[in-house]
Amino acid sequence: SQQGEEDPQALSIQEGENATMNCSYKTSINNLQWYRQNSGRGLVHLILIRSNEREKHSGRLRVTLDTSKKSSSLLITASRAADTASYFCATGGSARQLTFGSGTQLTVLP
Amino acid sequence: GAVVSQHPSWVICKSGTSVKIECRSLDFQATTMFWYRQFPKQSLMLMATSNEGSKATYEQGVEKDKFLINHASLTLSTLTVTSAHPEDSSFYICSAWTEAYEQYFGPGTRLTVT
Repeated sequence: SQQGEEDPQALSIQEGENATMNCSYKTSINNLQWYRQNSGRGLVHLILIRSNEREKHSGRLRVTLDTSKKSSSLLITASRAADTASYFCATGGSARQLTFGSGTQLTVLP
Repeated sequence: GAVVSQHPSWVICKSGTSVKIECRSLDFQATTMFWYRQFPKQSLMLMATSNEGSKATYEQGVEKDKFLINHASLTLSTLTVTSAHPEDSSFYICSAWTEAYEQYFGPGTRLTVT
């Protein structure tokens, strides 16, 4: 069964605004990853944060992880129309398979 | 960087036929590959773990006799959907890990069963 839940399910913002997506999970993890998926396409890995890290940055992306609350957030700053996509969190365990969250559909309006 | 390919990228087949999907690691060896399925507007669900040289491990609820997985070499895993039905129509994605514990996803295969 799917472990992660993401909210919001859908998010629509204007270009230039920031977008924040949240992910919650249920069991202990080794790491948490965020992926992007354009409609009908494969996954693009965005960022990985390990369980002993609290925050990580990559370009316009900022990811936080709170293992006590079993939650993570992805912040995209200064959004662009090209950021329109579905965003998924995924948790990794010891066996290397990933459990994906339900995803957030982000629409950035030009 | 490492690349994982899938073939075909899309396939349409008639109900009752079988379809084979290939997942290849192009420039690295992968002892383990994973197969995921994604229905429209939904998330990815792990179907099975493909292990080179041994039987695949299937997730609960996934019929191993319907979704045959063969990982015959360190660079190739195949997923065969047997006796496909319209409800098997989905986006199938594989992933593979490098020895440096980096994971790469294939571009996916869109299966439509008519």
